[in-house]
Amino acid sequence: GEDVEQSLFLSVREGDSSVINCTYTDSSSTYLYWYKQEPGAGLQLLTYIFSNMDMKQDQRLTVLLNKKDKHLSLRIADTQTGDSAIYFCAESINNQGGKLIFGQGTELSVKP
Amino acid sequence: DTAVSQTPKYLVTQMGNDKSIKCEQNLGHDTMYWYKQDSKKFLKIMFSYNNKELIINETVPNRFSPKSPDKAHLNLHINSLELGDSAVYFCASSQDPRGTGDGYTFGSGTRLTVV
Repeated sequence: GEDVEQSLFLSVREGDSSVINCTYTDSSSTYLYWYKQEPGAGLQLLTYIFSNMDMKQDQRLTVLLNKKDKHLSLRIADTQTGDSAIYFCAESINNQGGKLIFGQGTELSVKP
Repeated sequence: DTAVSQTPKYLVTQMGNDKSIKCEQNLGHDTMYWYKQDSKKFLKIMFSYNNKELIINETVPNRFSPKSPDKAHLNLHINSLELGDSAVYFCASSQDPRGTGDGYTFGSGTRLTVV
């Protein structure tokens, strides 16, 4: 089946690292994505990882993929108040016409 | 600006009405999508079109009818609106329907409120 799960809330202090976790069930996923949604706004692609990679780093963002456990994480280093938003994990499935399966979103709250 | 643009941004209407949401992309992408985000922020695909051809119809009630006059446009028409249709509707596009590292570009959403 197709299911992506995330914890709903995360609260951190400014300057700390944030780690947002995601698990998925479909092993035929090709790409896994992290999107950010600020209040009242659309979805902004933050980063992605191809399913045959273990890790990807992009400035303050580090994505780790454990394909065996079907676990994806997003680490944000030196979290800032501007990082407060909802973060969605999503997977695209091979041969599914480009369908993205989204997690429920993790609301990140950064306290000064 | 290159983007996915959808109109209107807000739509308030009465139950039973028929309404349309328009979407246009100037990214040259071949595939366009409609996603629905409910009040709990859950996002689910409704439709996708590749080069004007329907490729995904995710068990959406037939009151919802997408129309793609060309590959840069994907409009969503909703008949006989119900209270449960209240949500934010996102249009998106991608170059490749198989999914790529470029990801999907989303519009800024249309908040539909049915009263």
